[in-house]
Formats: sequence, structure tokens, C-alpha cells
Amino acid sequence: SQQGEEDPQALSIQEGENATMNCSYKTSINNLQWYRQNSGRGLVHLILIRSNEREKHSGRLRVTLDTSKKSSSLLITASRAADTASYFCAPIKTSYDKVIFGPGTSLSVIP
Amino acid sequence: DVKVTQSSRYLVKRTGEKVFLECVQDMDHENMFWYRQDPGLGLRLIYFSYDVKMKEKGDIPEGYSVSREKKERFSLILESASTNQTSMYLCASSFGQANYERYFGPGTRLTVT
Repeated sequence: SQQGEEDPQALSIQEGENATMNCSYKTSINNLQWYRQNSGRGLVHLILIRSNEREKHSGRLRVTLDTSKKSSSLLITASRAADTASYFCAPIKTSYDKVIFGPGTSLSVIP
Repeated sequence: DVKVTQSSRYLVKRTGEKVFLECVQDMDHENMFWYRQDPGLGLRLIYFSYDVKMKEKGDIPEGYSVSREKKERFSLILESASTNQTSMYLCASSFGQANYERYFGPGTRLTVT
């Protein structure tokens, strides 16, 4: 099984600030995915970055990937109260990986 | 848009009951997954399926079974519910090879008393 470890476990920022959360993993990957979960709901896919990519953008999201350090980061710029959620990373190694999601990073954006 | 639906948002069952959790997806996805989520433990994979009538154990299959008779439906069965199965259950599906993104249902919060 492949599991990402998110860091920090909890993050509290003011609205308008940037939020950065990190993900580390142990083995080589094909791609890495980030998901968001609002309280009491299912996970929503945010962005996928392939192993041959170093950076990817989607709206206010910026994801970086460093395969040599086996780590990724998710940056949310100009955060809003609606960004309050838990964020999970999912490193994918093979086509049939048993992906396990870690505890995630709990982000609180204070209005 | 892909839609993954789960039969109940909240469910309360008694110890020893047989419990069925249903999951349906409408995008003809080959892969379907059942996870449980507990505070501090993240999401743990219970079972998954890559095709009709096919199932594979995840990391915590004990006390659970699954059924996939049709491509769009993946059922999780608690043979004899116990209090330690009180949890949030999340179903997900994905297209083709499993390294595509997963689409999650809204979750079922199950309480076993």
C-alpha cells in the first residue's frame, strides 16, 4: 500500500493569507493527487501532478513535486473562508495501487 | 459530472445486525472502492473492485464483505455489526487504470449501538 503523510496536521490562517501544506511519501510514484474534504462530506479531487512534472497550477492552487525528496506541496493563495477543509495527498505508484489516505491537513481560514 | 451516490447519509444499527451500504456511480467506471474514515487515522481501504464480480481485500477487510453484481453498484456488507465499526464510510470510483482520480460519494455515517 502507498500512503502519503501530510504536514502540518492543522493549520490556521487569516483570510487572504496563503496556506502551504506538505506531503511526503516513501516509494517511487506515477503521479500524486491532492483532495479536499469539507466537514462531514466526501473527498473532492483537486489536482493531479505526474512524476515528470515539477509544478502545476489550477486557479488559486499551486502544486509542486520533488521526486528526489519524495515530497509535494500544495499552496492555496489568497485563502477564503470557504477553503476551510481537510486536505489529503494520494501518491500513486502503479495502476492498481491500494491507495490509503493519511490523516490529512486540517485548514481553518478565519474571516 | 460524475456522480457517486450512497444509500444513506446517516444510519443507526444495533450490535449483531447485518448492515448493507450501497454505492452507485453513473459514469461507467471500472473501479470502485470502500473506505472507512476515523479521526486521526485517515481513510483506510476496506475492499475494492476492478470489474463486475471481482473483489480484492484492502487493508482492513475483517468483519466486512462486498458484492458487485453490476458495474455501477458496489455494496459493502457488515455481516454482524459491532460497535467498533461505528465510522464514516466512503465509497469511491475511478475510470480505467487505478491511477486516475477517484470520485467520492458523500459518505455514510454509521453508528452501531
